[in-house]
Formats: sequence, C-alpha cells, structure tokens
Amino acid sequence: GAGVSQSPSNKVTEKGKDVELRCDPISGHTALYWYRQSLGQGLEFLIYFQGNSAPDKSGLPSDRFSAERTGGSVSTLTIQRTQQEDSAVYLCASSLGALLVEETQYFGPGTRLLVL
Amino acid sequence: GESVGLHLPTLSVQEGDNSIINCAYSNSASDYFIWYKQESGKGPQFIIDIRSNMDKRQGQRVTVLLNKTVKHLSLQIAATQPGDSAVYFCAEGGSNDYKLSFGAGTTVTVRA
Repeated sequence: GAGVSQSPSNKVTEKGKDVELRCDPISGHTALYWYRQSLGQGLEFLIYFQGNSAPDKSGLPSDRFSAERTGGSVSTLTIQRTQQEDSAVYLCASSLGALLVEETQYFGPGTRLLVL
Repeated sequence: GESVGLHLPTLSVQEGDNSIINCAYSNSASDYFIWYKQESGKGPQFIIDIRSNMDKRQGQRVTVLLNKTVKHLSLQIAATQPGDSAVYFCAEGGSNDYKLSFGAGTTVTVRA
C-alpha cells in the first residue's frame, strides 16, 4: 500500500462504550506500533508487535486496553468501557524491521477519539 | 527564531529566517535520536536522525546537533518556509532497541 492507513479517522462515543480502532500497516512491514497522543502532548507508547513474537504490552495504561494483530498484518486496538480521559489521537506506525537505527517508523494519520 | 527546551513549546519565525528548535532528552543511555514533523491532521513524519557517535548531521535545509554532555538536541531549519509550520518532536531510543520516547513537541508557526 501507499502508506499506513487507520480507520475510522474520527470516532465520537459515549462514556462506558467499547471502541475498536483499526490499523493497516505498509505491506511487508513486520513491526507495528500503537501510540496515544493527548492534546498538546508527545506520543505515548502503547504496544508493539514484531512478527510472531509476543507483543510488548508494557505501555497499555489499563486492562481496558487491548490490541491484536491478525495474520501479521492488520491490527485492532480495543478500548473497553471508555472513559473521558481516553480521548486522544491514537496513532499507528509500522516499520520494515525492529531496530530503530535501521528502520524508520512510518505513521498513519491517526484516529481522533472523543469520549463524551 | 529559537525555542528553549520543553519550556517554550511554541516558536514563531519570519519566513526566510532560520529556526532553531531545542530538545532536552532524559535518558543518558539513549544513543539514537530522531526529529519528526507533524502537520495538522497528519501523523508524524521522519525528518532526520543522528546516532550518539556523531555531534552533527545535515539534511536538506535541516541540521541536527547533539550535545551528549548536557543531553541536548537541536534541529535547525534554514530559510524557513510556510510549509515548515508544524509541530516538531524529538525522540530518543536505543539504536538496538525498538522503542522511542517522544518529547512534548514544539509548535512552529511561520509568519509571511
């Protein structure tokens, strides 16, 4: 594909509802990242997938957050029982391999989540 | 125009002037640094990177300077153009790692 795509681009939901955010990485990229960007803040690492290895979930802020990556390609980030503090831009990035010095992370446009 | 670390998150610069964006990084073990540009409504875009065995690296109209002694990184943009208006983030990590830590970002606004 031309780049990393994410859907939906915007999502408005009510507090307590579940949401699913989707990321389609660049074809052939084995590494996939999810980040959260709160208003006026930098990017906060959430989770990392690399090939068939166990994901690094160390950045997930609570057990309401989960993510999966099916078939080594598309990834879904799920937030259960959303709270107002979950409102943010959720960014996905992919890279050809894992090492920072070798592989640039390419970012999608993000999903803007607003929890009312 | 010049920003100072994370305490001045905005920078206004006249078109044609040079811009200097500063970043104080936190982890002395970091040996790989990247600058990203994020335009409104878009994801961050890679600009330039530098490894800790270098103190300067140049790209097209951009220069990154690294001072490991004081853990300071700067991005210089020559002849700033309206298209340079964006939020600029520095990020640090281990060159053999996969995780990046991002700064809060500096908003650059170019005045015509």
